[in-house]
Amino acid sequence: DTEVTQTPKHLVMGMTNKKSLKCEQHMGHRAMYWYKQKAKKPPELMFVYSYEKLSINESVPSRFSPECPNSSLLNLHLHALQPEDSALYLCASSQGVGTGAEKLFFGSGTQLSVL
Amino acid sequence: GQNIDQPTEMTATEGAIVQINCTYQTSGFNGLFWYQQHAGEAPTFLSYNVLDGLEEKGRFSSFLSRSKGYSYLLLKELQMKDSASYLCAAMDSNYQLIWGAGTKLIIKP
Repeated sequence: DTEVTQTPKHLVMGMTNKKSLKCEQHMGHRAMYWYKQKAKKPPELMFVYSYEKLSINESVPSRFSPECPNSSLLNLHLHALQPEDSALYLCASSQGVGTGAEKLFFGSGTQLSVL
Repeated sequence: GQNIDQPTEMTATEGAIVQINCTYQTSGFNGLFWYQQHAGEAPTFLSYNVLDGLEEKGRFSSFLSRSKGYSYLLLKELQMKDSASYLCAAMDSNYQLIWGAGTKLIIKP
């Protein structure tokens, strides 16, 4: 199984809603990532979890809250988002961080629209 | 600062060969990745180079020159399905990926 599974594929939410994005991998990878990607732009790193611990937070606003319940799962909790947060949210995993094994496997993404 | 440069858009003909260039400046270097991304989809891994030279994988090849801070992706026998964005990403000394803005490749019949 070389897949990273993300749900939902599409999400429309209002600025007062609370929603969560989910990501799962069963490749035994110990690093998991959240990226945000706007149209025609490269992915922007948001968070990195290594061995279920948050290792990188790229100064992301607190309305985005990551959670790593176990080594296979990664969630992104969303609350009070702004329209400018509308983007493709990508989850990725790799064997490790800082090991040279950073080949990223991406999920298919969640296309988020904030109204 | 850290920077990746690659052309914004390229056009090529089905069956032909195209080379997409990438130059990078990073704080330290731990390898160069190429990813393919179709519109509205996730990036998929194409290649990883950390040593100088050419790596060939089917119709796709990737080249790296560390002394020049330069890489290219070579696509042979182009097919319509190769129309996509191609992202170059360099890994710095902290194992952080620095992404280029991507090259949109348009294949014409």
